[in-house]
Amino acid sequence: DAKTTQPNSMESNEEEPVHLPCNHSTISGTDYIHWYRQLPSQGPEYVIHGLTSNVNNRMASLAIAEDRKSSTLILHRATLRDAAVYYCILTDDDKIIFGKGTRLHILP
Amino acid sequence: KAGVTQTPRYLIKTRGQQVTLSCSPISGHRSVSWYQQTPGQGLQFLFEYFSETQRNKGNFPGRFSGRQFSNSRSEMNVSTLELGDSALYLCASSVSTGRRYGYTFGSGTRLTVV
Repeated sequence: DAKTTQPNSMESNEEEPVHLPCNHSTISGTDYIHWYRQLPSQGPEYVIHGLTSNVNNRMASLAIAEDRKSSTLILHRATLRDAAVYYCILTDDDKIIFGKGTRLHILP
Repeated sequence: KAGVTQTPRYLIKTRGQQVTLSCSPISGHRSVSWYQQTPGQGLQFLFEYFSETQRNKGNFPGRFSGRQFSNSRSEMNVSTLELGDSALYLCASSVSTGRRYGYTFGSGTRLTVV
């Protein structure tokens, strides 16, 4: 299974943009890049996913490097409710292998 | 639209017993996956079902099993419970292939083995 590397934790100020990086240098051509987040005492929540092109939805944007070896999840305006563990995942065979993720702290 | 429903939310069992957990996917979703979450090991993939067939299996002992019914509802069973099986068990559903469409997770069943 392809691996991802994320920082253990990050901090951001409320109402500012947040850029969460993810490295996946061993990505294969068929791997999708998924992002999920998990709030305390809840199951993971789907955020966004993509294959090659940048993606936008109401929650976030996903910027994928041209060589696909890295990607960045962008929260355009962080709120306190965005404090969570964010998982960057590669999946090519319909199962998710979770890493440790990035714990995002939002400062009021 | 209703989300992924897992029952029960909490469960306490004794070592050596067996347990069955239930997952009702979002209507129209045909893929159901199961995960175990513990503080030490994080989120680990158990297995995935699609159209009543197991498509993928994680690295767990045979005491962990599952099945999917024709209405896409799924159950997982753990036999001969051990203390180390205490965890949050999460179910996720997807339209078809989760990698293409993304997964929706339930809130989980917290199992405590005493």
